[in-house]
Amino acid sequence: AQKVTQAQTEISVVEKEDVTLDCVYETRDTTYYLFWYKQPPSGELVFLIRRNSFDEQNEISGRYSWNFQKSTSSFNFTITASQVVDSAVYFCALSEDTTDSWGKLQFGAGTQVVVTP
Amino acid sequence: DGGITQSPKYLFRKEGQNVTLSCEQNLNHDAMYWYRQDPGQGLRLIYYSQIVNDFQKGDIAEGYSVSREKKESFPLTVTSAQKNPTAFYLCASSLAGGNEQFFGPGTRLTVL
Repeated sequence: AQKVTQAQTEISVVEKEDVTLDCVYETRDTTYYLFWYKQPPSGELVFLIRRNSFDEQNEISGRYSWNFQKSTSSFNFTITASQVVDSAVYFCALSEDTTDSWGKLQFGAGTQVVVTP
Repeated sequence: DGGITQSPKYLFRKEGQNVTLSCEQNLNHDAMYWYRQDPGQGLRLIYYSQIVNDFQKGDIAEGYSVSREKKESFPLTVTSAQKNPTAFYLCASSLAGGNEQFFGPGTRLTVL
């Protein structure tokens, strides 16, 4: 069963618009970690954020913000005032804190963000 | 500069040949990972290693092999048993499980 769902395949926006990427996860563990990565056209994944299951505070980093809601098993990502350089594929990932799942990242299918000038 | 290097960037292989992808890190990370990415899809875990001389199969290990003789190095061999090896391969490392993984630039393998 897919543990991380990114229902949006592609989102297109015009520069300066806000864009929100949805991520819904599934786990039975009480301790787990959630991540967002950016994959620009060059292909290398760039780490954006890590959140543990006990920290539900929302976080803001520049134009990026994250909304973690355990009640709905969601970890959504918003880019404010988008720029062309934000065009990339964004992945949400889950790591469960069990012996069998140690260190293993389970990725969603990714959301392609296209920002046009 | 600290980071992860993968070589080569592009690799072409004839059917029936084994090929080895290189992954080196100088971040002093204990854990290393290999992922495969197919077009339009997320990453799938092939193998991972928590410590030197130890490694475990991921979700799609069939047709692949690895070794971890040094902390810095985690080479991946794509064998002729891998039925559909054309893909983008990414190597990553982390301090330990649950921590963020840092990725290399990837190797794009094409089977001719």
